[in-house]
Order: sequence, then C-alpha cells, then structure tokens
Amino acid sequence: DAGVTQSPTHLIKTRGQQVTLRCSPKSGHDTVSWYQQALGQGPQFIFQYYEEEERQRGNFPDRFSGHQFPNYSSELNVNALLLGDSALYLCASSLRQGSSYNSPLHFGNGTRLTVT
Amino acid sequence: AQKVTQAQTEISVVEKEDVTLDCVYETRDTTYYLFWYKQPPSGELVFLIRRNSFDEQNEISGRYSWNFQKSTSSFNFTITASQVVDSAVYFCALSEKYSGNTPLVFGKGTRLSVIA
Repeated sequence: DAGVTQSPTHLIKTRGQQVTLRCSPKSGHDTVSWYQQALGQGPQFIFQYYEEEERQRGNFPDRFSGHQFPNYSSELNVNALLLGDSALYLCASSLRQGSSYNSPLHFGNGTRLTVT
Repeated sequence: AQKVTQAQTEISVVEKEDVTLDCVYETRDTTYYLFWYKQPPSGELVFLIRRNSFDEQNEISGRYSWNFQKSTSSFNFTITASQVVDSAVYFCALSEKYSGNTPLVFGKGTRLSVIA
C-alpha cells in the first residue's frame, strides 16, 4: 500500500523563478493538503484540495497556487520565489467522503526547496 | 484564535530514561482534536495519537503515554524507557471543530535526542 509520495526530494531555485512540486496521495485518499515547514518551525497550512477545487486556504499570498487532478494527485506552484520561501513542503492526504471527524493526515517525506 | 505552544525546544536524555514533552494549547472551540506527530530525519510526519476534547482519559500505547488535562489546556506526551530510535522532532497539533479535514495548527516542535 503506497503512502504519500512527493517529488522532487530536493530543489534549488533562484529568486524570482517559479517552482512546481508534486504529490500523489495515499491509495484510497481523496483530499490533499499542503504545508510549509520553515527550518526549526512547525508545519503551516497552505491550502487543501478536494474534488479538484481549493477548499480551504491558510495565510499565504496568491503566489502560492495549486491544482488537483482527477486521480487525486496534486501540484503546488509558487511564483516569484523569495528567499523566505525556502522550506520543507509537506503534502498530506486524507479521506473526506463526508466524514464527520478528522481522519488523521498521512504525510509524505516532503520536498526541500532552497531559494538562492 | 488557535495556538499550540511547545515550550521545550530541545531535550536530551540518556537511553532508558523517561521523558515528558509538554504541549499547551489555546482554542475558543469546545470541540476540537489534539494530535502528536513524530518527525524523524527523513522528514515524514508520523501520526502517533489523536484525542478529542470530550475524552480526557489518559492513553498508553507501549512505551508511549499521553496526559490530557482540559483544566490546564495541556496534552503532554511521555516516553518511558527511551531508546535511541525515539530521537526525532515531536509536534503537538490542534484541529478545531468536528468537520472533516480541518487544517492542523502545529506547535514549533521539541527535538528529542536520546543518547546511548
């Protein structure tokens, strides 16, 4: 049973560039959430996708955007990269299906983005 | 406003010692969930426990135990007879409401080092 997979593992970009990170959810899951974890900090919620739509969003600028595909996989796009965007980006999946409780999130290993 | 505070940034113990990781939370909701996650060097967040606000029973799972006290808004995590494999960053997290897939608010984490 494959867990949450993310690609690439590491990425180095220059300020001003754009980046796309990818995530495949755990088998059977239909919801994908993205979190940003700066060095020495806890993860911060970016946004969540379900049924190919952004359902919830944290306090992140519009430079951060995403997409969910019919197979439930997801992409996170960041435009006009800043040095402060350097972080570990974690993807998490869960099962929504009208569930009335929080199903535990299953996290991937993350993509470490370095902006120089 | 919701907030999770993990006052201990780093803890170092000798193998076989017991160690308690503190977590204090703030929320205005009467129904909410609390979580603990473990983050080994690989980066993946590993789910350890979920507790809802109506259940103040302490829980024990092998060498792990959790003490939830609503009166002090605390959800502390104890590892008994620590082992080197317990070395990781541990995060406490809060999710408000009972709706499915509500985003998690994480503390800054506590880095635990268990020395052989």
